[in-house]
Amino acid sequence: GAVVSQHPSRVICKSGTSVKIECRSLDFQATTMFWYRQFPKQSLMLMATSNEGSKATYEQGVEKDKFLINHASLTLSTLTVTSAHPEDSSFYICSARQPTEAQYFGPGTRLLVL
Amino acid sequence: SQKIEQNSEALNIQEGKTATLTCNYTNYSPAYLQWYRQDPGRGPVFLLLIRENEKEKRKERLKVTFDTTLKQSLFHITASQPADSATYLCALDSDNYGQNFVFGPGTRLSVLP
Repeated sequence: GAVVSQHPSRVICKSGTSVKIECRSLDFQATTMFWYRQFPKQSLMLMATSNEGSKATYEQGVEKDKFLINHASLTLSTLTVTSAHPEDSSFYICSARQPTEAQYFGPGTRLLVL
Repeated sequence: SQKIEQNSEALNIQEGKTATLTCNYTNYSPAYLQWYRQDPGRGPVFLLLIRENEKEKRKERLKVTFDTTLKQSLFHITASQPADSATYLCALDSDNYGQNFVFGPGTRLSVLP
């Protein structure tokens, strides 16, 4: 089956620093990639949708200058949390898909901002 | 507004029995319905996709039905095992590009030995 990887799996950083999370589709070309955030015991919340080579579409309430998304190729998307604060601590998950196919999710990245 | 409900927040069943999870939706016309499994601290894992013109799909011990008239999908795990314990999410998608992809709240299944 399709495999999506994320790196790093876990990151701890100081408040005010920026953190970059990579999402890669390993064995297929993803026309669209998605970024989600999940707080404990809650459902996944879509943050943004990105198509290769174009600007990401952000969900309402998600600051695009705070959460920078770069979809550089059909197999790579990055999410940068800029000037991270403790309230940004969460579980970040990416997914990737081709048209008419299922979304395949990465294993997630746990971010802890001290 | 779009709404997806899954039958219960938590479901406990005895090992060997069939687990049946329900996904109901309103104000949505999905082209695809997907079921995922999520374990604590992990991303969702894709299980099955069923399209609007399909009634039923099977994969090993899993079976999914899709009734667009009732706006409902049923997800069955036969001969359940403790290893099947996880949160199961249904998700709807209405186009080719995932722009209207929506998750249900999930059902936490516990299979008791």
